[in-house]
Amino acid sequence: DAGVIQSPRHEVTEMGQEVTLRCKPISGHNSLFWYRQTMMRGLELLIYFNNNVPIDDSGMPEDRFSAKMPNASFSTLKIQPSEPRDSAVYFCASSPRGTGWYEQYFGPGTRLTVT
Amino acid sequence: ELKVEQNPLFLSMQEGKNYTIYCNYSTTSDRLYWYRQDPGKSLESLFVLLSNGAVKQEGRLMASLDTKARLSTLHITAAVHDLSATYFCAVDSNSGGYQKVTFGIGTKLQVIP
Repeated sequence: DAGVIQSPRHEVTEMGQEVTLRCKPISGHNSLFWYRQTMMRGLELLIYFNNNVPIDDSGMPEDRFSAKMPNASFSTLKIQPSEPRDSAVYFCASSPRGTGWYEQYFGPGTRLTVT
Repeated sequence: ELKVEQNPLFLSMQEGKNYTIYCNYSTTSDRLYWYRQDPGKSLESLFVLLSNGAVKQEGRLMASLDTKARLSTLHITAAVHDLSATYFCAVDSNSGGYQKVTFGIGTKLQVIP
């Protein structure tokens, strides 16, 4: 398996622009997680899906952030409008929770810079 | 709300030395994970600890779990430079009927040749 795939790997955008990050989980995994990592705040869970349904979005910072999972093989995290404080590395992870093993497999991340 | 605390946050050690990283958590859980992150890279799973008294070893790293004390340790034996990385522990908890994973802030390990 190719592992969790994220795109783009790097994104530089200007404040106010819309940003869309994409994630393809490992086939057969039924849970998907979006994280944000910064030096100041560490690794923060933004939202997680189980069987394509959003379960916990309490970590989503504000209404500018939205996430969707239209099917088991694709998810997006959208920021609209983007702000400089959104600059971070965004990770997507998936997990085969149905098996009882909750270990997460992380994608390579998207480094977002908002100027 | 589950809190996960790691210490130390930074650790600089010489090659060949032994050291332990600690992970404390605030509520009942019987699942704990250790991850490694190299600079500029993603997180990689090291260990999954599923029960009280669980011990896992891989090379120079050994992880253990004491659910009664709500404590996990990651012991490093005879450190080598390749172990330089940031190590995270993460704990499962039940939130509204669903499992939720909370990560510690990480321990940055630097092994000096």
